[in-house]
Amino acid sequence: GNSVTQMEGPVTLSEEAFLTINCTYTATGYPSLFWYVQYPGEGLQLLLKATKADDKGSNKGFEATYRKETTSFHLEKGSVQVSDSAVYFCALSDHAGGTSYGKLTFGQGTILTVHP
Amino acid sequence: GAVVSQHPSRVICKSGTSVKIECRSLDFQATTMFWYRQFPKQSLMLMATSNEGSKATYEQGVEKDKFLINHASLTLSTLTVTSAHPEDSSFYICSARGYRGTGELFFGEGSRLTVL
Repeated sequence: GNSVTQMEGPVTLSEEAFLTINCTYTATGYPSLFWYVQYPGEGLQLLLKATKADDKGSNKGFEATYRKETTSFHLEKGSVQVSDSAVYFCALSDHAGGTSYGKLTFGQGTILTVHP
Repeated sequence: GAVVSQHPSRVICKSGTSVKIECRSLDFQATTMFWYRQFPKQSLMLMATSNEGSKATYEQGVEKDKFLINHASLTLSTLTVTSAHPEDSSFYICSARGYRGTGELFFGEGSRLTVL
């Protein structure tokens, strides 16, 4: 079956540091890949997505590239801010095409704390 | 943007009682809603998929008689934990998929259930 593995947290960084949160997946077929973010007290929000190999999703300075050869979708940001403190979830959908209408399989989440 | 609201956000109940959690789509019609359960430091596990006007589809291992799901309208789905026990204590999250557009999933804030 499908599975998603994220790097364990928590991750603590100083403001303006470089961020990488690793994510690898196991899936049959051609999944779509997502990063969701959950700010304190709020629901999950879609941060970015990629629907096929070599696609790069980007939003709010975050980027992730769909690497089929390494089955990875690592999240990166060049300079984090205090406001980026949140829980980040990597996820995959077993429906290709980008719409997250299929069932989502989530990683365990990574807590990011950014200090001033 | 689209908003999905869950209520209550926190609930404490005695063992043996039943608890109802509501999930509402506030500004769109949700043809499909998903219910997830999240254990501490673990990923979201899909419990069931509910489509408006039909019976919910439960994931393997989820007791349908314990976790009753009703999706009576296009804006409301409810999860009732029947005869709750301490092992049912968890964080329950719903998500809703819109009727039109990309079918993007929108998540509620989650409901934390504690069974004493």
